[in-house]
Formats: sequence, structure tokens, C-alpha cells
Amino acid sequence: GAGVSQSPRYKVAKRGQDVALRCDPISGHVSLFWYQQALGQGPEFLTYFQNEAQLDKSGLPSDRFFAERPEGSVSTLKIQRTQQEDSAVYLCASSLGLGRGPPPDTQYFGPGTRLTVL
Amino acid sequence: GNSVTQMEGPVTLSEEAFLTINCTYTATGYPSLFWYVQYPGEGLQLLLKATKADDKGSNKGFEATYRKETTSFHLEKGSVQVSDSAVYFCALFGSARQLTFGSGTQLTVLP
Repeated sequence: GAGVSQSPRYKVAKRGQDVALRCDPISGHVSLFWYQQALGQGPEFLTYFQNEAQLDKSGLPSDRFFAERPEGSVSTLKIQRTQQEDSAVYLCASSLGLGRGPPPDTQYFGPGTRLTVL
Repeated sequence: GNSVTQMEGPVTLSEEAFLTINCTYTATGYPSLFWYVQYPGEGLQLLLKATKADDKGSNKGFEATYRKETTSFHLEKGSVQVSDSAVYFCALFGSARQLTFGSGTQLTVLP
């Protein structure tokens, strides 16, 4: 597709369940970002990949959060033992990649996955 | 660390009114500044950007000027339309190589 896609669009989990959120970036985009957006707030940075390398995971709120991008394309954000405070919209964004094109690269966002933890 | 403070909403205007949404930032170094827009049911879209001081970003009738002396990037539009109703986010991209967003301003334009 032409844009960033995310699945599922909505996810309801019971507290304690594990969830996996998928992001398909724009083809050829080297950089991939995950953000968390709480209700009524702006997105907050979680983690960043350049190809398959996770270069920054400083925004991950706890060790229950894990992200991977094993082949440098699709990425998965996994949350283990979900808690109510994990309820938010999880946004994925991709960009061409640092050093390619005029800096900073424009980040293109997907529609997000709305996670509700009951 | 980096931070962005933007005008709290919601903002309600009549069609053809003048719009200003204030945004100020705190950052080390020389960040790039952005306005993103989120229409109902859609993802974030880049509206405009400015990469250095005194640059003016513009798109779809919206403008914002990067003012280093006041650390501001206020969004303006001379005549808003109903279709401009959305949430607007100011953001910066700094040395940490990640976007830092403000909390968003909900704009509603009435016919």
C-alpha cells in the first residue's frame, strides 16, 4: 500500500494478557518509530529502528514492552501482562532514513492501534 | 530535555475567522519544528515544517514561522473552513532524533 498500515485497528485485552501490535511501514523506509498516545494527549516516543537495529528504546515505559523488526521491514510491538495504564493508541511512523533526503526526514504515521485493557 | 507547550483547547471558531494556535518549545541545539494535524478517524498528517530559524512553513493556507528568539512556532490561518476541524499538534525533532509533541489543540469550525 501507499501508506503506513497497522493492525489490528482496535484491540481489547483483559488485564494480564499479552498483546502484539503490527506495523507495516512504507516500502523502502529505513527508519521506523513507535509512539504511545494517551487519550487527550500528544504522542510520546517509545522506540526507534533503523533497518533491523533498535537504536533507541528509551521511551519504553517498562520491561513489559518489547519491540522488534527482524528483517528491517515489518515491526511488532509486544506488551506482556497488560495493565490498565497501557490503554492508549499506539502509533507507528516510518521515514526514508537518516542521511537520505533533506534532514530531518518526514515521518509518515499509520492510523494507530487503539488498545483497551479491561 | 525537550518539551513543547501549545495552546490548550478546545478552540471554536466561525467559518472564515482568523486562527492562531500558540506553540512554544524548549530544546537543546537547533531543532526542526512541525505542525501535524489529526482529522477525525484518521492518522497524524504532516501539515507544515520549518528546519531553521526564520523559516516559514506553509501548506493549505496555514503558516508558521520558526522564531528562535521567542522559541515559538505559532500556527495561523487567515480564513478557516469547516473542513479544518481537527486536532493540531506542534512538535519538534531535536538531537535525540525523535519527535516530541505538544498535547494537541482541538479546533472546531462552525458554518
